[in-house]
Amino acid sequence: AQKITQTQPGMFVQEKEAVTLDCTYDTSDQSYGLFWYKQPSSGEMIFLIYQGSYDEQNATEGRYSLNFQKARKSANLVISASQLGDSAMYFCAMREGVSSGSARQLTFGSGTQLTVLP
Amino acid sequence: KAGVTQTPRYLIKTRGQQVTLSCSPISGHRSVSWYQQTPGQGLQFLFEYFSETQRNKGNFPGRFSGRQFSNSRSEMNVSTLELGDSALYLCASSLQWTGGRDVDGYTFGSGTRLTVV
Repeated sequence: AQKITQTQPGMFVQEKEAVTLDCTYDTSDQSYGLFWYKQPSSGEMIFLIYQGSYDEQNATEGRYSLNFQKARKSANLVISASQLGDSAMYFCAMREGVSSGSARQLTFGSGTQLTVLP
Repeated sequence: KAGVTQTPRYLIKTRGQQVTLSCSPISGHRSVSWYQQTPGQGLQFLFEYFSETQRNKGNFPGRFSGRQFSNSRSEMNVSTLELGDSALYLCASSLQWTGGRDVDGYTFGSGTRLTVV
C-alpha cells in the first residue's frame, strides 16, 4: 500500500482564491511527521509547513495551513489568497519513527501540479 | 546563511560511465540525505549520512554509493550508468540525526539533473 497518496495530479485555482491540496497517509507508527514541499520548475524543494503527529493544533505558516485529521489520516494543505508565484508542484511527505530517532528518510507522495490563473 | 549547494547543476553522461555528484550542506548541518526523482518513480530515498557514517540506505543497487567528509560535504557516485539513472538528484541537509522536531530539518538543494545517453 502507498504510504502517501495525493489523488490530484493537477489543480487549477484563480488568483486570490484559496485552494486545498489533498494528502492521505498510511502508517502504524504513533509518532510521525508530515511535511509539505513546493517544487517550482527550477527543481529545488522548498519547505512549506510541518505537522507532528502529537501536535494538537493545525500548523500554520503565513498563507499556508495544514488541515490535519489524524483519525482519517489526512493532512491537506490549504493555500489562502493564491498568487501567480504559487504555481508549482506540491509534495506531501512523511517521516516515520520521529520519537525513536530511527530512520529519518522522507516518503513522498506523487505530487500535485498547481496552476494559478490570472 | 548559504543554502544547500549541489554541483554540477546539469550533467550528461554516456551509458556505462560513472558519475560523482556533490552536495555541500548548510553550515553546521551534519546530516545529508540523497533522493532520486524521476517521472516514473517519483521521489525515492537513496541514503543518509551523519558524521561521515551511512545511517540508512534505500532500495537501490550497489552501483549507487556515497560518502561524507569531515566537513559534512557529501558525494554520491553512480557507476556503470544506465539509461534509467537519468533523473534529478536532490540532496537535503539537516541539523541532527536523532530526536528533536523535524521542522528545522530537510533543507533541499536545487538538485543535479543527470541525463544518461
